[in-house]
Amino acid sequence: AQTVTQSQPEMSVQEAETVTLSCTYDTSESDYYLFWYKQPPSRQMILVIRQEAYKQQNATENRFSVNFQKAAKSFSLKISDSQLGDAAMYFCAYRGYQKVTFGTGTKLQVIP
Amino acid sequence: DTAVSQTPKYLVTQMGNDKSIKCEQNLGHDTMYWYKQDSKKFLKIMFSYNNKELIINETVPNRFSPKSPDKAHLNLHINSLELGDSAVYFCASSQLGAGEKLFFGSGTQLSVL
Repeated sequence: AQTVTQSQPEMSVQEAETVTLSCTYDTSESDYYLFWYKQPPSRQMILVIRQEAYKQQNATENRFSVNFQKAAKSFSLKISDSQLGDAAMYFCAYRGYQKVTFGTGTKLQVIP
Repeated sequence: DTAVSQTPKYLVTQMGNDKSIKCEQNLGHDTMYWYKQDSKKFLKIMFSYNNKELIINETVPNRFSPKSPDKAHLNLHINSLELGDSAVYFCASSQLGAGEKLFFGSGTQLSVL
């Protein structure tokens, strides 16, 4: 079974600074995708970024980028120029063919 | 237009009651899911349906019964509610396939008193 581990229950960052959220996963599958989802206090789940396992190039979406290390099974999220609106729970997720497995989440606080 | 809508948003009920949560998606997706988010924010899959067929059934008490009348709808019925059932329940949909992202509903916060 696939497992996803987020070892940082809480993180904080100063506004305009950069923060990195960690995620590791375990799988025996060769074809899979990785995601970061954001859940603000509104409870809505919002996709932040997606990475295909077969691509070596790290995904980037504006201020959000990932550091994908396939051999190490590591998938960290970097948020640059942090904004107050980035404060939320962040979930790392693994998707094989059928199922999406989520990590336990990291609560990000942005300090003005 | 809401892509994945679930009702109700909030549900407060007594132990032992039976309740249902409804979910509808207008995205034309083949696959729908129910996730449970507990008080520690952990998201765990409960069920998944593809074209009205059950494809994932995690270890969930049989008091929980999903029903998919068509591929746009996936409802969750819960019998004999217990205190431990209190959680936020999310419906989601996607196309079937490893790269497809999940589209989530806004969640139903269930409180069992």
